[in-house]
Amino acid sequence: EDKVVQSPLSLVVHEGDTVTLNCSYEVTNFRSLLWYKQEKKAPTFLFMLTSSGIEKKSGRLSSILDKKELFSILNITATQTGDSAVYLCAAYGGSNYKLTFGKGTLLTVNP
Amino acid sequence: EAGVAQSPRYKIIEKRQSVAFWCNPISGHATLYWYQQILGQGPKLLIQFQNNGVVDDSQLPKDRFSAERLKGVDSTLKIQPAKLEDSAVYLCASSPNRDGTQYFGPGTRLTVL
Repeated sequence: EDKVVQSPLSLVVHEGDTVTLNCSYEVTNFRSLLWYKQEKKAPTFLFMLTSSGIEKKSGRLSSILDKKELFSILNITATQTGDSAVYLCAAYGGSNYKLTFGKGTLLTVNP
Repeated sequence: EAGVAQSPRYKIIEKRQSVAFWCNPISGHATLYWYQQILGQGPKLLIQFQNNGVVDDSQLPKDRFSAERLKGVDSTLKIQPAKLEDSAVYLCASSPNRDGTQYFGPGTRLTVL
């Protein structure tokens, strides 16, 4: 069965801190790894990673994929209160090319 | 570009009642997904459509859940009869291709009493 595991499940930091969120996966026919941010509404797309070792960056957020060790990390530098959200990791693949999501990491950034 | 539309946004029903949710995907997106997200969990795929055909419904509880995609555009998801454990947010997503990128609607929060 396809599986995605995220850690930690929750994290509380102060503004300005740097955080690293982890995601490991076991998915047949793996094609890509996606990160989403979910506030009190629908998940919004952050990154899609398909190649190992190539960092994707958007402002203070960056992510990298390791296809040999089957994991990905999402880094957020200089955190702000607006970064408070659930961060979801999802692996795309499987027999019918579908997204398998992890449980998410709840990030709380305190002022 | 308009996003994925869903209605209603909230619904409260009693157990054993029926309920239906509606989704209008982004124009031109061939693939449409329905997910169930229980509090504290990631979204779980219920059903995937490619145009108006079902690609994957392996996790859809078919004794009570049904879904259709009309003319390959709008979709409805129905629950009949509802159980307490169906309380969740039901998310609809669409994708223009099969590279994994999906765009989510605002969701319908269902509470079953």
